[in-house]
Amino acid sequence: EPEVTQTPSHQVTQMGQEVILRCVPISNHLYFYWYRQILGQKVEFLVSFYNNEISEKSEIFDDQFSVERPDGSNFTLKIRSTKLEDSAMYFCASNPQPLVEQYFGPGTRLTVT
Amino acid sequence: DAKTTQPPSMDCAEGRAANLPCNHSTISGNEYVYWYRQIHSQGPQYIIHGLKNNETNEMASLIITEDRKSSTLILPHATLRDTAVYYCIVRVVSHTGKLIFGQGTTLQVKP
Repeated sequence: EPEVTQTPSHQVTQMGQEVILRCVPISNHLYFYWYRQILGQKVEFLVSFYNNEISEKSEIFDDQFSVERPDGSNFTLKIRSTKLEDSAMYFCASNPQPLVEQYFGPGTRLTVT
Repeated sequence: DAKTTQPPSMDCAEGRAANLPCNHSTISGNEYVYWYRQIHSQGPQYIIHGLKNNETNEMASLIITEDRKSSTLILPHATLRDTAVYYCIVRVVSHTGKLIFGQGTTLQVKP
């Protein structure tokens, strides 16, 4: 069964550094998403992406965040200058259209020290 | 999107049906009810969704009341692997597709 993959599984970085989290959505999907989950808290929506542009973003997704689909397979989340509070699990998701289920990846655990 | 209310935790005996309730009294006519679950710290997993009719798939059944103000997710024969946090999400299907997760119900299946 096709699945969403994410790399790396765990990323440790120092405060102020840039990080890029990578996702490979399911190949025929058109809608892509990033969510995050701070340890012990609920899953939070960050951004949705369709047709090579952001379709919606949350208040969390400020100027420090950006997303890109650099080629036909990857979907990346960049955090320009990481803060301690960016430490969280980041999940990528995709689906072929908004009505149907979203397929989530296994997540990248980001630790900012 | 309408607000949902779920009990914070529930227990269920292995092999028995798990019935997880969700209250969404402010749901509007064009909002769907979705259920996802999250096992430990894995990515959320879709279970089922519906608008007003009851739905069933290989994982679960979704029962939506006639007034649509509440719903119940039924896992017919719970196993230990069904121990997870279950999220009831009510949303309009928009072009953005975003999901707004609440705190969910932690279901503990016990042997």
